[in-house]
Amino acid sequence: DSGVTQTPKHLITATGQRVTLRCSPRSGDLSVYWYQQSLDQGLQFLIQYYNGEERAKGNILERFSAQQFPDLHSELNLSSLELGDSALYFCASSVGPEYDGELFFGEGSRLTVL
Amino acid sequence: LAKTTQPISMDSYEGQEVNITCSHNNIATNDYITWYQQFPSQGPRFIIQGYKTKVTNEVASLFIPADRKSSTLSLPRVSLSDTAVYYCLVGGGSGNTGKLIFGQGTTLQVKP
Repeated sequence: DSGVTQTPKHLITATGQRVTLRCSPRSGDLSVYWYQQSLDQGLQFLIQYYNGEERAKGNILERFSAQQFPDLHSELNLSSLELGDSALYFCASSVGPEYDGELFFGEGSRLTVL
Repeated sequence: LAKTTQPISMDSYEGQEVNITCSHNNIATNDYITWYQQFPSQGPRFIIQGYKTKVTNEVASLFIPADRKSSTLSLPRVSLSDTAVYYCLVGGGSGNTGKLIFGQGTTLQVKP
């Protein structure tokens, strides 16, 4: 158990809909990272937050947005969903703003868009 | 962040030693080298990290030559449960920001 909690574990929805994925980082970790992993694809970095502020941005679509709240949990919002958005979405956390060598990943949220 | 190149896949048999090499020609002075393991439908898990020479822990060894342009993850006496994807990640140290980009990883298949 990494200490990172993601909900929901599974989500099935239709094209055009909007969903919210939630992540609670490990106790004491201030950074949260979001990754997308499609079938047979590697981990695609989406965005990083540190202590409530956006720290780094990857290939995140404009239809996607994220935020980190004062209690340090983070939410990834996916809107106008398309079939291609079906993927595993991972959240990871670490202590500081800069990568210090170890990310702790959650179990992921599997999104299926029909 | 330095780009990494790894073999797409490797096969091995139970009990053998497996070595997976990662190339990172443009590694920066303050970059660390970290390896992660990922099982299907699970999040990646930290295996080992090093800066130079050799690092060993209870599950693996990491060999880094003097020029640090490559690194080799060594898994001793693999078992079927070591079948997974292994990612090499280069970065970290002061002054590094996010955009932690994982490469395609190496899919290791261990056969009985």
